Amino acid sequence: KQEVTQIPAALSVPEGENLVLNCSFTDSAIYNLQWFRQDPGKGLTSLLLIQSSQREQTSGRLNASLDKSSGRSTLYIAASQPGDSATYLCAAGNQAGTALIFGKGTTLSVSS
Amino acid sequence: EAQVTQNPRYLITVTGKKLTVTCSQNMNHEYMSWYRQDPGLGLRQIYYSMNVEVTDKGDVPEGYKVSRKEKRNFPLILESPSPNQTSLYFCASSPLQAGGNSPLHFGNGTRLTVT
Repeated sequence: KQEVTQIPAALSVPEGENLVLNCSFTDSAIYNLQWFRQDPGKGLTSLLLIQSSQREQTSGRLNASLDKSSGRSTLYIAASQPGDSATYLCAAGNQAGTALIFGKGTTLSVSS
Repeated sequence: EAQVTQNPRYLITVTGKKLTVTCSQNMNHEYMSWYRQDPGLGLRQIYYSMNVEVTDKGDVPEGYKVSRKEKRNFPLILESPSPNQTSLYFCASSPLQAGGNSPLHFGNGTRLTVT
């Protein structure tokens, strides 16, 4: 059964720092890997989706990579800002296309 | 505006009183799903639907029912709610499937408290 783990569970950084959030999964037979952002009291917002055949995706200051063979994905945030403070969730799409299996998230706090 | 709309946002009820949480999407998506989010457990899938009249169980379906009579609507039904169903519930949709090349779109959530 697929398990998704995110490390660290929480992270505090000063504004302007570059940072990396880690995600690992136990079953490499995934359809895609998605990164979401969740703000308190809000739903999940999709940040990046990497299909299983891809290695990385970029959007603005965000870059996500995928290494299926090692069961790892990273989310790189450049020049962090206080507005980046949120919980970041990664999720692995199963091959059947019926579900995303979520990690428990990394809660990021960026101080000004 | 493309969106997934859940109602209500907050609900407090008592054990055993049937309730329905509605979910509607305006993007003509085939796939819809319900998740619950609990501290320390993360998001877990309750039910999903690949198309109209096609539904199936996720990881934690016990105590829940769903229906998909129209493409846009996917209500979550708790026939006899219990305190262990106190949680934050999310509805999500995507064009074809959860694992395709389009991300899941989530609603804003329904916080349910069962006393």
